[in-house]
Amino acid sequence: DVKVTQSSRYLVKRTGEKVFLECVQDMDHENMFWYRQDPGLGLRLIYFSYDVKMKEKGDIPEGYSVSREKKERFSLILESASTNQTSMYLCASSLRGLGEETQYFGPGTRLLVL
Amino acid sequence: SQQGEEDPQALSIQEGENATMNCSYKTSINNLQWYRQNSGRGLVHLILIRSNEREKHSGRLRVTLDTSKKSSSLLITASRAADTASYFCATDARGAQKLVFGQGTRLTINP
Repeated sequence: DVKVTQSSRYLVKRTGEKVFLECVQDMDHENMFWYRQDPGLGLRLIYFSYDVKMKEKGDIPEGYSVSREKKERFSLILESASTNQTSMYLCASSLRGLGEETQYFGPGTRLLVL
Repeated sequence: SQQGEEDPQALSIQEGENATMNCSYKTSINNLQWYRQNSGRGLVHLILIRSNEREKHSGRLRVTLDTSKKSSSLLITASRAADTASYFCATDARGAQKLVFGQGTRLTINP
């Protein structure tokens, strides 16, 4: 079974702090994704990556950056956390293929920025 | 932008009844997927239907796709309390590796 793990289930940070969210997958997937999920807004794509050291902006990249130094690990960075970044963050991975690939999700990190 | 939009936003039924959720989308797709999310957890893939398919079954799940209307439906038959969750449709943009998710339907099965 594919396993996607996220470093924390719950996280509380203060405004202005630098925040790192880590995601690791164990199935050698090329694609990795970071979403945020907010009530009434569904899942919105922040960044994704097709390969090591490669990144693409999603729909809402502002205020975020990412890092993919190893194939299995995709990090989401909040350079200076703000209260409007309080949200549920979901990481996912998939094989690179012909567009039929299932995305496998981690359990999510619920981030509260005070 | 939201590609897929689910309807209804919330649905509450009695155990044993069938549950139907709908998804509409805006642009041409290669395929459409349905995912389930239990409260406070990540999403789990349920089923994928290709653009050249009209209907697909998996256990108690039945998915239909009407590309002329740009819509899909997910039917869960003989619902169980364990089916209580949010259900999302996701569509791919042709040529892209990413998915676009709708806002989800919150399904509650009452015992």
